[in-house]
Amino acid sequence: AQSVAQPEDQVNVAEGNPLTVKCTYSVSGNPYLFWYVQYPNRGLQFLLKYITGDNLVKGSYGFEAEFNKSQTSFHLKKPSALVSDSALYFCAVRDSGTYKYIFGTGTRLKVLA
Amino acid sequence: DAGITQSPRYKITETGRQVTLMCHQTWSHSYMFWYRQDLGHGLRLIYYSAAADITDKGEVPDGYVVSRSKTENFPLTLESATRSQTSVYFCASSDWATNEQFFGPGTRLTVL
Repeated sequence: AQSVAQPEDQVNVAEGNPLTVKCTYSVSGNPYLFWYVQYPNRGLQFLLKYITGDNLVKGSYGFEAEFNKSQTSFHLKKPSALVSDSALYFCAVRDSGTYKYIFGTGTRLKVLA
Repeated sequence: DAGITQSPRYKITETGRQVTLMCHQTWSHSYMFWYRQDLGHGLRLIYYSAAADITDKGEVPDGYVVSRSKTENFPLTLESATRSQTSVYFCASSDWATNEQFFGPGTRLTVL
């Protein structure tokens, strides 16, 4: 069965500092991995994805994520956080053999000025 | 307007009533999804559809019914609403090539 874990309910970081939002996953086949962001009272927006290829993927708004197969992780990173990055972040996984997406419980990122 | 829309945006209903949430997309995406978002649970997949007339269950399908007679529409029906179905419901669509999901603005449903 597919599953996704986001171990931190909330991450606080000072503006200008690097940020990391953690995600680990479990699938039986090859993983398709995604990060989405949700701003208050809005739907989710796509940030980035890993399907195949380079383990480091770059996405929107300066975010990147590293696929680590041995640790089954796909952590979201940004070198320098902005206050406007404050939002709810979701990791999602899809097994390559299905079209069912499983989302994590979300991590609230607060960037402090 | 191009994109994905949901209606209504807000709905209050009573236990036992039937409610239908509408979802419409203009991209002709093959895949469409219904999720519910609840505190502590994140997003959970209710149903998804690979094409018109092809639907399949997600993680939490009980109490919900879907249909997809046209590619652009994917309505979700609560046949007899219960308080546990109070939630925010999101519709999404995706094409098979990019795997990126595009989400609607959500419907906030309250069941009294």
